[in-house]
Amino acid sequence: DGGITQSPKYLFRKEGQNVTLSCEQNLNHDAMYWYRQDPGQGLRLIYYSQIVNDFQKGDIAEGYSVSREKKESFPLTVTSAQKNPTAFYLCASTKRDTLQPQHFGDGTRLSIL
Amino acid sequence: KNEVEQSPQNLTAQEGEFITINCSYSVGISALHWLQQHPGGGIVSLFMLSSGKKKHGRLIATINIQEKHSSLHITASHPRDSAVYICAVSVYGGATNKLIFGTGTLLAVQP
Repeated sequence: DGGITQSPKYLFRKEGQNVTLSCEQNLNHDAMYWYRQDPGQGLRLIYYSQIVNDFQKGDIAEGYSVSREKKESFPLTVTSAQKNPTAFYLCASTKRDTLQPQHFGDGTRLSIL
Repeated sequence: KNEVEQSPQNLTAQEGEFITINCSYSVGISALHWLQQHPGGGIVSLFMLSSGKKKHGRLIATINIQEKHSSLHITASHPRDSAVYICAVSVYGGATNKLIFGTGTLLAVQP
């Protein structure tokens, strides 16, 4: 079955360390998205990519970086510059230039010790 | 004020009850989505609407474009319906299919 795989499900890191969250999809989707979810708030867009080797900042990109070297993969790095990185991170994908629903992964919960 | 507002924020129901979750938005949209998030965190898409009404099993979604309002109904609710239900709107700008999300409604259905 096609879908989105996020790993790991839980991630713990010490303050000041960079950490990379993995997102892989086998849906042949061009567009991929990273969202952050905090208690009591709606999902907020961090970065998105419409095509390989291209990506754009979302609403809360500061302290994060991404790459899109392959269509299937869109890893998110949470850098030490992100002031409050503890959150639930969701990856999503969809066909480009379409209003079809986004497919979501199961998320990664990041906790900074 | 959030561009997408949901009500109620929390809802507790007895098994078998009819449930309604509301969503209002203040921006121009090309579509509205209802999503379901289970305790494990994964999100699945339930409906995408641009007009009228859609039904899938015990779930019904309606949208009134003029009033900028949508409702999600669950008939004959069951404990397995317990989840967070999220309303999101598509704001189509250029090549970006941007979604704006509501904060979600936490539904607990008790047996």
